[in-house]
Amino acid sequence: AQSVAQPEDQVNVAEGNPLTVKCTYSVSGNPYLFWYVQYPNRGLQFLLKYITGDNLVKGSYGFEAEFNKSQTSFHLKKPSALVSDSALYFCAVKGSQGNLIFGKGTKLSVKP
Amino acid sequence: EPEVTQTPSHQVTQMGQEVILRCVPISNHLYFYWYRQILGQKVEFLVSFYNNEISEKSEIFDDQFSVERPDGSNFTLKIRSTKLEDSAMYFCAAYVGERYEQYFGPGTRLTVT
Repeated sequence: AQSVAQPEDQVNVAEGNPLTVKCTYSVSGNPYLFWYVQYPNRGLQFLLKYITGDNLVKGSYGFEAEFNKSQTSFHLKKPSALVSDSALYFCAVKGSQGNLIFGKGTKLSVKP
Repeated sequence: EPEVTQTPSHQVTQMGQEVILRCVPISNHLYFYWYRQILGQKVEFLVSFYNNEISEKSEIFDDQFSVERPDGSNFTLKIRSTKLEDSAMYFCAAYVGERYEQYFGPGTRLTVT
């Protein structure tokens, strides 16, 4: 069965420091991977995706993610965190039905 | 980012009542999805809709749920007889062809009392 795991419920980072939000996946075949961000009382905003090509993909707001096939991971990264990055982050994989299968989410808290 | 809108933003209903949640996707979107997010839990797939019919549905999407596109633009999710456990955020999403990106609406918070 296809699944996504986000092992951290919460990640705390000081502003200006690099951040990493972890994601591992389990799919058969080549994965289509996504990161979404959810701000309070808002919908899910697309950040970036990996379909094929370079393992390092760049997305919105300075975020990037690295696809690692051997470790079945797709960690979200940013070199320098901002307080405004504080939100709930969801990793997702495209399911066999075309739908997105989400991880449980990781709350990112960036303190000044 | 293409905008998907949803109405209402918040719906309060009594158990057993019918509710209709509405979504207005961008006109060139082909595939539509409904997801729900129970408070504090992950986002779960309900149903996908393509070419005016259901494409796929999850085990959550039982006979109490239905979807349709009554006027070619609005995309609705109907819950016939709401239960307390239907309380959740319901998100509509639209998908633009080969880009594989799904664009989500702001959600409708459904509260069943």
